[in-house]
Amino acid sequence: DQQVKQNSPSLSVQEGRISILNCDYTNSMFDYFLWYKKYPAEGPTFLISISSIKDKNEDGRFTVFLNKSAKHLSLHIVPSQPGDSAVYFCAASGRSNYQLIWGAGTKLIIKP
Amino acid sequence: GAVVSQHPSWVICKSGTSVKIECRSLDFQATTMFWYRQFPKQSLMLMATSNEGSKATYEQGVEKDKFLINHASLTLSTLTVTSAHPEDSSFYICSASFSAGGEQYFGPGTRLTVT
Repeated sequence: DQQVKQNSPSLSVQEGRISILNCDYTNSMFDYFLWYKKYPAEGPTFLISISSIKDKNEDGRFTVFLNKSAKHLSLHIVPSQPGDSAVYFCAASGRSNYQLIWGAGTKLIIKP
Repeated sequence: GAVVSQHPSWVICKSGTSVKIECRSLDFQATTMFWYRQFPKQSLMLMATSNEGSKATYEQGVEKDKFLINHASLTLSTLTVTSAHPEDSSFYICSASFSAGGEQYFGPGTRLTVT
């Protein structure tokens, strides 16, 4: 049973526009959510996180929104840049341990 | 800060041999280190969690006798793939965590090819 789902395997966005990546989760015990960016043959890079006590966290061009009632979070990138082309993973964790539960990833392609 | 390195970055070995991969936290002490494996076009699969000085906790389906994990210090964990087979060829990534905040810092990964 997939506890963290990223239903869009890929997303194509025009440079300069907003990229919105979505993630759904099923486990209500998750209280910390993270987004990672990954280039081919490299380890993931931490982007931004959000605690369940918040509904929004912003860092530069990246904003993460959390809707606890819908068990949904999204990552907004604005404006999108060519270097943003990568695979984005959503991950979640609970209080009991450090383990992250990962989504399958969404490949973001920024078109010039 | 929070840099994690892996060595080697790429290794080719013959079937039946063993390969050791090192994971180091360079500028912080990692309470916990994780080992992942990534299959093509799939998410990262957690293999095991290791805490310094104690035995690793393996995920279901991961053979602990085949994937030996040693977390000898707060800055070093090793993964040894014993008696490697071609199906073990994959991209292995480690991560380290130093707080209960949930953030993990990842190494660059090791590409293992077993011929």
